[in-house]
Amino acid sequence: EAQVTQNPRYLITVTGKKLTVTCSQNMNHEYMSWYRQDPGLGLRQIYYSMNVEVTDKGDVPEGYKVSRKEKRNFPLILESPSPNQTSLYFCASSFSIDAYGYTFGSGTRLTVV
Amino acid sequence: GENVEQHPSTLSVQEGDSAVIKCTYSDSASNYFPWYKQELGKRPQLIIDIRSNVGEKKDQRIAVTLNKTAKHFSLHITETQPEDSAVYFCAVRPPGYSTLTFGKGTMLLVSP
Repeated sequence: EAQVTQNPRYLITVTGKKLTVTCSQNMNHEYMSWYRQDPGLGLRQIYYSMNVEVTDKGDVPEGYKVSRKEKRNFPLILESPSPNQTSLYFCASSFSIDAYGYTFGSGTRLTVV
Repeated sequence: GENVEQHPSTLSVQEGDSAVIKCTYSDSASNYFPWYKQELGKRPQLIIDIRSNVGEKKDQRIAVTLNKTAKHFSLHITETQPEDSAVYFCAVRPPGYSTLTFGKGTMLLVSP
């Protein structure tokens, strides 16, 4: 089944403890992206990638890192999480942004205490 | 970067009525405009899209219209049903960017 898989679905962590949210797609998509969703603010882009080893900042990249070493994987890294990073995170991928938009993963609800 | 404004933020209609959600964008060279539906607790899913060389597109009860001159596009849902209740997001592909910028969303509530 074609899908975008995120793990974990839920995560509670403490301030400053490094964490990684994994994202994997099995559709051979070139484009991948991370968004965070907060009430009243919609979907805001954190980072995106157009291909292996090609990444770019989105609108809210501060406090996040990404890597794209393989086409299928696009992990989101929080080196030192803070409470303002408590949010719902979505990974998304696309074969062609112009024609198909994004396919979203199931989301990761992160709470930083 | 691209600025996308979406209105209204909430919309309540009676079952069977029509619903219209509008988005405006800032860059006239933007060329792709998808709409996503997000049901409670689920992921956003693409429901319809339109490209800049098309003025209108329909799929059963939903349609999207694009006015390039005015830089706005709208989602139209006819004969609304309770299962249409969700948050709807518009998005824009800005020129020169291989990604999408989203509006803040519209919560649609369809009452039986």
